[in-house]
Amino acid sequence: KAGVTQTPRYLIKTRGQQVTLSCSPISGHRSVSWYQQTPGQGLQFLFEYFSETQRNKGNFPGRFSGRQFSNSRSEMNVSTLELGDSALYLCASSRTSGTFTGELFFGEGSRLTVL
Amino acid sequence: AQSVSQHNHHVILSEAASLELGCNYSYGGTVNLFWYVQYPGQHLQLLLKYFSGDPLVKGIKGFEAEFIKSKFSFNLRKPSVQWSDTAEYFCAVGDNNAGNMLTFGGGTRLMVKP
Repeated sequence: KAGVTQTPRYLIKTRGQQVTLSCSPISGHRSVSWYQQTPGQGLQFLFEYFSETQRNKGNFPGRFSGRQFSNSRSEMNVSTLELGDSALYLCASSRTSGTFTGELFFGEGSRLTVL
Repeated sequence: AQSVSQHNHHVILSEAASLELGCNYSYGGTVNLFWYVQYPGQHLQLLLKYFSGDPLVKGIKGFEAEFIKSKFSFNLRKPSVQWSDTAEYFCAVGDNNAGNMLTFGGGTRLMVKP
């Protein structure tokens, strides 16, 4: 079956702009999580959505937001981009029905470069 | 707050050598532990996980990990590595009360020389 699909794969923005990244989870997966990966900070949790509700949020400023649609697809948005937002943004889905599994299926990521 | 430390950032081994990657975590409650792997050009994938029970867990491709509660460790092992094990390995910690939020270590890049 198809894996987690993230679009776009690569994008370049300038400071002050905003960006929206999209994630389509594996069919049947209702939990979608977002992570930021950078060489300096590694993998950091941004937020998790389950059944269109944000279930958890990491320690990121309010410029980072997300949402989930009824078909479980998710988007994340970063407003007022800063140079430090340059990173690989990873989406992961899970088949959890509410209980924790921790078994995440990751997409290939969206690589954002902020100039 | 949870934290995860992977002390080896880069490891180089020859084929057939034994592998042990260290992972230590800091958390006061009940944890769930994971190793994820990222092969070159591929996405992150789960290698193995520990929730409870036998502290020695076996994963895919001959990997295993041992949970030692007293040492807050969850080291990854493989008796004999292959060139195809070249990848970056991430240890992660989760909490039953925190959904699918995982705290990852900084990763260990393993290079296996043929």
